[in-house]
Amino acid sequence: QKEVEQDPGPLSVPEGAIVSLNCTYSNSAFQYFMWYRQYSRKGPELLMYTYSSGNKEDGRFTAQVDKSSKYISLFIRDSQPSDSATYLCASIGDDKIIFGKGTRLHILP
Amino acid sequence: EPEVTQTPSHQVTQMGQEVILRCVPISNHLYFYWYRQILGQKVEFLVSFYNNEISEKSEIFDDQFSVERPDGSNFTLKIRSTKLEDSAMYFCASSVGETQYFGPGTRLLVL
Repeated sequence: QKEVEQDPGPLSVPEGAIVSLNCTYSNSAFQYFMWYRQYSRKGPELLMYTYSSGNKEDGRFTAQVDKSSKYISLFIRDSQPSDSATYLCASIGDDKIIFGKGTRLHILP
Repeated sequence: EPEVTQTPSHQVTQMGQEVILRCVPISNHLYFYWYRQILGQKVEFLVSFYNNEISEKSEIFDDQFSVERPDGSNFTLKIRSTKLEDSAMYFCASSVGETQYFGPGTRLLVL
């Protein structure tokens, strides 16, 4: 059973648009949820970190967790070409990070 | 800003050879991890390390793999006899709490 699922994309949006990235997870015991950004040939870089349900905002980025539906979202406002990367959702289970497969995002200038 | 570093950035080796991948975690971190990412696939957990011992390992982390913290700064992953399917990016991570910080990775190519 895949514990964190994510549409691999690619997702292409025009510059300035709002981007919505989504994941689902299967284990209701998960409490910590993260979004990582990974540029080509680089390590994952932590973007947002949330605990339990609710929203968290950091600049142009908003992370949202809905535990009732086991749904994780990342919204990017005013998207920039530099936002083009792979976005990985993740959760912590049994002392390790469980990643989704990542969604490739292309912001078109 | 402190960061996790990894060496080498690229490693090419022959099947059956031993490789050692090196990581320098962030200095005040206590938990250390190795992950791998086969091209086009998800990042997969290999092993976690705390207090000089393995705290958890995945099914991937078989007897061919070992980890060591030989001194106060380095954290190494050794693959004793590499196989073709070991070709991947290997990421080291460290944490002091729940948030893990990743290094840039070592790209391993087994021929």
